[in-house]
Amino acid sequence: AQTVTQSQPEMSVQEAETVTLSCTYDTSENNYYLFWYKQPPSRQMILVIRQEAYKQQNATENRFSVNFQKAAKSFSLKISDSQLGDTAMYFCAFFGGSEKLVFGKGTKLTVNP
Amino acid sequence: DTAVSQTPKYLVTQMGNDKSIKCEQNLGHDTMYWYKQDSKKFLKIMFSYNNKELIINETVPNRFSPKSPDKAHLNLHINSLELGDSAVYFCASSQELGALNTEAFFGQGTRLTVV
Repeated sequence: AQTVTQSQPEMSVQEAETVTLSCTYDTSENNYYLFWYKQPPSRQMILVIRQEAYKQQNATENRFSVNFQKAAKSFSLKISDSQLGDTAMYFCAFFGGSEKLVFGKGTKLTVNP
Repeated sequence: DTAVSQTPKYLVTQMGNDKSIKCEQNLGHDTMYWYKQDSKKFLKIMFSYNNKELIINETVPNRFSPKSPDKAHLNLHINSLELGDSAVYFCASSQELGALNTEAFFGQGTRLTVV
């Protein structure tokens, strides 16, 4: 069974600085997707960034980028130039052949002014 | 247009009651899910349907029964509600693995409070 581990329950960062959220996963599959979802206090689940396992190039979306290490089964999220609106829960998720989206336990990120 | 919509947004009910949460997606996806988010924010999958067929049924009490009348709808019916059922329930849908730009789209969640 796939598992997703986020080892940082909470993190904080100063506005305009950079922060990295960690995620590791375990799977025997070769074809899968990895995601980072953001859940602000509004409760809505928002896709931040997506990575296909077959792509070696790390995905980037504006201030958000990932460091995908397939052999190490690591998928960290880097947020550059942090903004107050980035304050939220961040969930790492795995989507593989079982067609099941499995989430980590989340990291609560607080951006301080 | 809301891609995945679930109703109601809030639900407060007494123990022992039966309630339903409805979910609809207008994205043409084949797969739909129900997740439960507990007070610690942990998102746990409950059910997954593909083209109206149940494909994932995690260890969920049989008081919870999903119903998929068509592939655009996946409703969740809960019998004999218990205090421990209080949580936020999310509906989601996705394309199949390998589809271009695969991602899961979520509804806004239903906060269920059992008193």
